[in-house]
Order: sequence, then structure tokens, then C-alpha cells
Amino acid sequence: AQSVTQLDSQVPVFEEAPVELRCNYSSSVSVYLFWYVQYPNQGLQLLLKYLSGSTLVKGINGFEAEFNKSQTSFHLRKPSVHISDTAEYFCAVSPLYSSASKIIFGSGTRLSIRP
Amino acid sequence: DAGVTQSPTHLIKTRGQQVTLRCSPKSGHDTVSWYQQALGQGPQFIFQYYEEEERQRGNFPDRFSGHQFPNYSSELNVNALLLGDSALYLCASSLRLASSYNEQFFGPGTRLTVL
Repeated sequence: AQSVTQLDSQVPVFEEAPVELRCNYSSSVSVYLFWYVQYPNQGLQLLLKYLSGSTLVKGINGFEAEFNKSQTSFHLRKPSVHISDTAEYFCAVSPLYSSASKIIFGSGTRLSIRP
Repeated sequence: DAGVTQSPTHLIKTRGQQVTLRCSPKSGHDTVSWYQQALGQGPQFIFQYYEEEERQRGNFPDRFSGHQFPNYSSELNVNALLLGDSALYLCASSLRLASSYNEQFFGPGTRLTVL
């Protein structure tokens, strides 16, 4: 079984400041890792994913994340946030080699940007 | 190229009623997954359909059932609605390939309110 823990339910940050959204996971098997973003009243959009290879992955809108296998973490970072980054962010995992490919999500972190 | 579409956008039902939600996958996709997102929570996997069969199921009661049609579109049915069924229901589609990772694309969701 897999589980995902997002350590912060809300993160307030000033515009143009850096931000880190934390994510830890638990799994008895190897997993793929994802970050999704959900803007108000919209569905989910994939920000970035880790499948294999380099542990630092870059995504859309200037976001990046680093996979740390020993700490079972996959924290999301952005060096300078913009008002338009205000949204809910979800960390998620999916078991490797699973034909069903279900996604297990964390409970989300609400990022609010202050001008 | 249309993405994943869902209907209706919003729905209001009363306890005990039945509801049907619809999903059309992204063009070229053959697999549909359904997720329930309660307010303030991350999405939870309900089930996945491929080749018109339920392939995997999450921890949801039998009141939740589904169907996939030959054109790959899908329906989610919920019987005997409870107040706790109020949520955003998300549909995601993917193309099942030989490789283990099949990216899921999410629709905008159907907001179900049970009174």
C-alpha cells in the first residue's frame, strides 16, 4: 500500500519570494512521483513527474522537485513565486509496473501569494 | 483536440437518490479512471475501466458502480446517495501502452451536492 503526506496544509508567501512545499511518501514498492496543481474550480494539471534518472526534475511554470529516496521525500520548489501561482498543490504517487496505474494523492497544500 | 470532458458541471441531489456522471476521454485514450475529491481533501481513486471492464477498484462501497462504452466513454453511478457523497468527481483518461507509465489527463470534474 502507498500513502502520501503533505506536511503543510497552507503556505502563505510573499510575491517574488521562494517557496518549498513538502511531501513525504510511504510505499512497499517502487513508485512514480508527481506534483499536480489545481486552480480554483478547475481539474488537476500535471506540474512535473519523476519516473527515473536524475533526481532533480523540472516542470512547468518554473517549478522543480527533488526526489530523495533515503528520506522518501519529493519536495516542490520555486525560486520566485507569482500571484498566478495561487492554487492547491497535490503530491501523488503511482506504483511502478502496475497496469492499473492508480494514483494516490496527498491531502494538498494551499499556496497563497501575498502582494 | 478536445481534452477530457465531463458532464454535467454541477448537480444537486437529495439523500437516497441515484446519480449518473459522464466522462468522455481524450481523443486516442482507451482507459478511464474515476476519483472522488471531498472538500479540502486530495482525490481518492474509485475505479478504473479498460476494455469495458472494471480493472481495479479503490475502497468504495458497491453503491458506486461504473460502465465503459465501446467508444471508451464512461459513466459513474452512485445509488442511495448520502450526504458524505458530496464531492468533486474527477475523471481521468490514459492510453494503456506496453510501458508501465501511462500518463493520466484529468477532466474539470462534476461537482455533486447531496442535500
